[in-house]
Amino acid sequence: KQEVTQIPAALSVPEGENLVLNCSFTDSAIYNLQWFRQDPGKGLTSLLLIQSSQREQTSGRLNASLDKSSGRSTLYIAASQPGDSATYLCAPVKAGNQFYFGTGTSLTVIP
Amino acid sequence: EAGVAQSPRYKIIEKRQSVAFWCNPISGHATLYWYQQILGQGPKLLIQFQNNGVVDDSQLPKDRFSAERLKGVDSTLKIQPAKLEDSAVYLCASSLIRGNGFGANVLTFGAGSRLTVL
Repeated sequence: KQEVTQIPAALSVPEGENLVLNCSFTDSAIYNLQWFRQDPGKGLTSLLLIQSSQREQTSGRLNASLDKSSGRSTLYIAASQPGDSATYLCAPVKAGNQFYFGTGTSLTVIP
Repeated sequence: EAGVAQSPRYKIIEKRQSVAFWCNPISGHATLYWYQQILGQGPKLLIQFQNNGVVDDSQLPKDRFSAERLKGVDSTLKIQPAKLEDSAVYLCASSLIRGNGFGANVLTFGAGSRLTVL
């Protein structure tokens, strides 16, 4: 069974800082990995998808990396803004389109 | 395109009562998921459908939870009887299968149904 761990559980940074969120997973037999954002009281919104054959994926100020062999992914957020405050979850995807979620990292960006 | 629709958004019931949640996925999405998210935790998969067949229901408490997906479109998740520990947000998501089922399948979530069991 896939176990997904996200560190740190919570993070508070001043506006403008660059930051890194970490995700580790136990089963490296994945097809891709997705990063999601969840705002309080809302559903999850997909941010980035990295194919297993890729090492990085970028969207605006977000950059996600994937090291499949070591079971790790990171989400880098550049020049953080208060609007980035949310919970960020990673989900490695296995065969059969099966998504496994971590507990997330709660990010607060202080103006 | 329209998103994943869920209803009701909020429901408060007493323990031992029953409740049903409804989900309408994005048109054309073959795969539908129900997740349970307890406060402070990540989503936990309850059941995954591929069209109207069940792919994975290994974590569904089948003594009280049931789900169906008629005609491979809408889905209903039912809890009967409810327990206090069922208080959670129930998230529905859908995904489009491309090619042989692998590859860039983005998961799209609905806003969720928040259940409070008193």
